[in-house]
Amino acid sequence: DQQVKQNSPSLSVQEGRISILNCDYTNSMFDYFLWYKKYPAEGPTFLISISSIKDKNEDGRFTVFLNKSAKHLSLHIVPSQPGDSAVYFCAAYHTGNQFYFGTGTSLTVIP
Amino acid sequence: DSGVTQTPKHLITATGQRVTLRCSPRSGDLSVYWYQQSLDQGLQFLIQYYNGEERAKGNILERFSAQQFPDLHSELNLSSLELGDSALYFCASSGPTSYNEQFFGPGTRLTVL
Repeated sequence: DQQVKQNSPSLSVQEGRISILNCDYTNSMFDYFLWYKKYPAEGPTFLISISSIKDKNEDGRFTVFLNKSAKHLSLHIVPSQPGDSAVYFCAAYHTGNQFYFGTGTSLTVIP
Repeated sequence: DSGVTQTPKHLITATGQRVTLRCSPRSGDLSVYWYQQSLDQGLQFLIQYYNGEERAKGNILERFSAQQFPDLHSELNLSSLELGDSALYFCASSGPTSYNEQFFGPGTRLTVL
């Protein structure tokens, strides 16, 4: 039962351009969404989050957009840098319940 | 460095065996989570402990068990191991001021031969 889906296993972007990573979910009860970044041989690290009462949250080069009616969120990275090359996981939960993670999207930023 | 430690880093064992994975949460964090990441899979939630008590259970097999000790470290026990149990096992912790954010350890890579 994959409640959080990342349908693009990989994405390649030129340095300086925008990276857009997408995530879909099925459970309308989710009230918090997060993005994690993972480098090889390391655990995931928290990147940015958004509450379900918002539709946008921005932190430097990273912006997360939430479209509740479409049950869709996206992470925008502008401008993309080679150091952003990693696997990005989207996650969701509703208070008092477990976290659900997507399968990840591997981003490659080409210098 | 997230502040979450996991040991061992790598573990190679045979089918039918039993192993124990250990996790020490960040200082002050009361919640510990265990996740399994198999090849090309996302992070599958296994179980959560909060201050020694089981808080939530995910897709954890009956052959697997976990506990959180009074000093808040946690252990994940995997028994009657099968080839399909080969995976990365991550532990994460969160605290009263970071309940929306989990801090992950570097993981334990388990290989069952």
